Amino acid sequence: NAGVMQNPRHLVRRRGQEARLRCSPMKGHSHVYWYRQLPEEGLKFMVYLQKENIIDESGMPKERFSAEFPKEGPSILRIQQVVRGDSAAYFCASSPSSGGRNNEQFFGPGTRLTVL
Amino acid sequence: ELKVEQNPLFLSMQEGKNYTIYCNYSTTSDRLYWYRQDPGKSLESLFVLLSNGAVKQEGRLMASLDTKARLSTLHITAAVHDLSATYFCAVERRGSEKLVFGKGMKLTVNP
Repeated sequence: NAGVMQNPRHLVRRRGQEARLRCSPMKGHSHVYWYRQLPEEGLKFMVYLQKENIIDESGMPKERFSAEFPKEGPSILRIQQVVRGDSAAYFCASSPSSGGRNNEQFFGPGTRLTVL
Repeated sequence: ELKVEQNPLFLSMQEGKNYTIYCNYSTTSDRLYWYRQDPGKSLESLFVLLSNGAVKQEGRLMASLDTKARLSTLHITAAVHDLSATYFCAVERRGSEKLVFGKGMKLTVNP
């Protein structure tokens, strides 16, 4: 059973460009979470999605950032008009369900975004 | 707002020594996680603690949870160099799906 997959693993963008980060959850998982990690910091929650629904986006910046998890295909975190402050590691996690004891989140390898 | 604090944030210790690190959180929580992260890598799940008094052990690491005190400890026994990494605790707030992370503790074990 493959784990959570993210691509690309490394992404370099110039200021003003768009960044698209992809996350494929573990097989059988329908819940996806995105977190951002700045250098020397812990992870900060950004958004929680289920298929075709954004459940909690309380950690998403109000502008330039968006996320989706379509019926088919991976979850996408999109950052428009990137700025240097967006440089970070972006981790995706997935879980099989919400609530109960079986919703532990499993993390992907992360995408390291560098904005020049 | 749920806050998670870890201390210490940096620890340098000799091989063979023991040490305990702490994770405090501010509001009632469903569960607490400990993760390990090596430089440039993802998070490796170490422990999931679900109830008051829970204690789990894996190798040289033992984690415990006191929900009344809102405190978890991670005890390191007879440290070895391979334990050098950053250790995060994360708390899942009741009724919420998101994890709130501490800043992490960077551990260096010296030969």
